[in-house]
Amino acid sequence: ETGVTQSPTHLIKTRGQQVTLRCSSQSGHNTVSWYQQALGQGPQFIFQYYREEENGRGNFPPRFSGLQFPNYSSELNVNALELDDSALYLCASSLRSSSSTDTQYFGPGTRLTVL
Amino acid sequence: ILNVEQSPQSLHVQEGDSTNFTCSFPSSNFYALHWYRWETAKSPEALFVMTLNGDEKKKGRISATLNTKEGYSYLYIKGSQPEDSATYLCAFYQGGKLIFGQGTELSVKP
Repeated sequence: ETGVTQSPTHLIKTRGQQVTLRCSSQSGHNTVSWYQQALGQGPQFIFQYYREEENGRGNFPPRFSGLQFPNYSSELNVNALELDDSALYLCASSLRSSSSTDTQYFGPGTRLTVL
Repeated sequence: ILNVEQSPQSLHVQEGDSTNFTCSFPSSNFYALHWYRWETAKSPEALFVMTLNGDEKKKGRISATLNTKEGYSYLYIKGSQPEDSATYLCAFYQGGKLIFGQGTELSVKP
């Protein structure tokens, strides 16, 4: 059973650019959540995708958008990058979208640096 | 705005010491509390999912308790080992998302 993978591992962009981060879910999982972890903070929920539809969103502006594909892999897109977008981006997959007890399995993250 | 607080922020102990840390969360509308262990350069690893008031879970030397009425959970590590060095995160479940505390960074010296 393959775990959650993310690519790339590290990325450096400049302010104003656009970035796409990728995530492959654990086998059998149809729900993917994305989190942003800024330095010194816990991960913050960006949004969740369930069966290719956005299924909940945190307090992030519309320039943060996502996609989920038929194989349940997912992308996080960030437009018009700002310096404050520098963070570790984590994705997590789970079996069901709205079960409080289902474990969310995390990938190792993508470290984004915006210069 | 929901607040999940963890204390202490960091902890340095000697090998063999037992230690514990705290996660505080809103006591209303409780569904579940998740604990994760996160080693540097690895993925966060699920430890426990706690749902019932008075719940106690155990995994080897690590255990956790839950008090939903007063809104806290304790994580205990008995006889800490260097391989326990990691950041321990708790997360409060709300509406499909996890709301994380800032974590407790544990360092165990041999």
